[in-house]
Amino acid sequence: NAGVTQTPKFRVLKTGQSMTLLCAQDMNHEYMYWYRQDPGMGLRLIHYSVGEGTTAKGEVPDGYNVSRLKKQNFLLGLESAAPSQTSVYFCASSYPRLALQETQYFGPGTRLLVL
Amino acid sequence: LAKTTQPISMDSYEGQEVNITCSHNNIATNDYITWYQQFPSQGPRFIIQGYKTKVTNEVASLFIPADRKSSTLSLPRVSLSDTAVYYCLVGFSNDYKLSFGAGTTVTVRA
Repeated sequence: NAGVTQTPKFRVLKTGQSMTLLCAQDMNHEYMYWYRQDPGMGLRLIHYSVGEGTTAKGEVPDGYNVSRLKKQNFLLGLESAAPSQTSVYFCASSYPRLALQETQYFGPGTRLLVL
Repeated sequence: LAKTTQPISMDSYEGQEVNITCSHNNIATNDYITWYQQFPSQGPRFIIQGYKTKVTNEVASLFIPADRKSSTLSLPRVSLSDTAVYYCLVGFSNDYKLSFGAGTTVTVRA
């Protein structure tokens, strides 16, 4: 049971290049999330998904796109990378819990440097 | 969404008890309080969750007063390995847009 995995672990991009970050979970969770973490700013939600085939915008969605074609995978795309997108990206997943707040399970993160 | 306020940083020594208070004045009736821990270069991990009074598990205790406008995470007898960032979150089921904020950086010294 690998939990939440992220690919790649580290990547360097040039401004204007595109890339896709892959998140995979093997816990059969319905919900998946993409966050970015910058120094001193905690985690900010980029996009999230409440089920296969559905996505929604979070707090900072501009410059990113996502897709959830399979329940276990959540892809984050950068169409034209900018230096402001240099960050650590975390993926998380959770399952619905009646009345209680869902517990999120996080991946190890992807460090992205945009030059 | 209920906003939270917690100290930016706290220092402690091994063996001491660390208490981190989170303020959430606008907490709603259905909101739960959840704490996460994040070690350097890792994703956050769930520590504890509660609604009212006191919750205890093998890692920490969570104290919530009757008015629920604040909560206190208590880490008993900390060790160097408890050095991490601790996040307080407030929300309810299906509340997807949880705000992690900057958290509290706890540094434990020998």
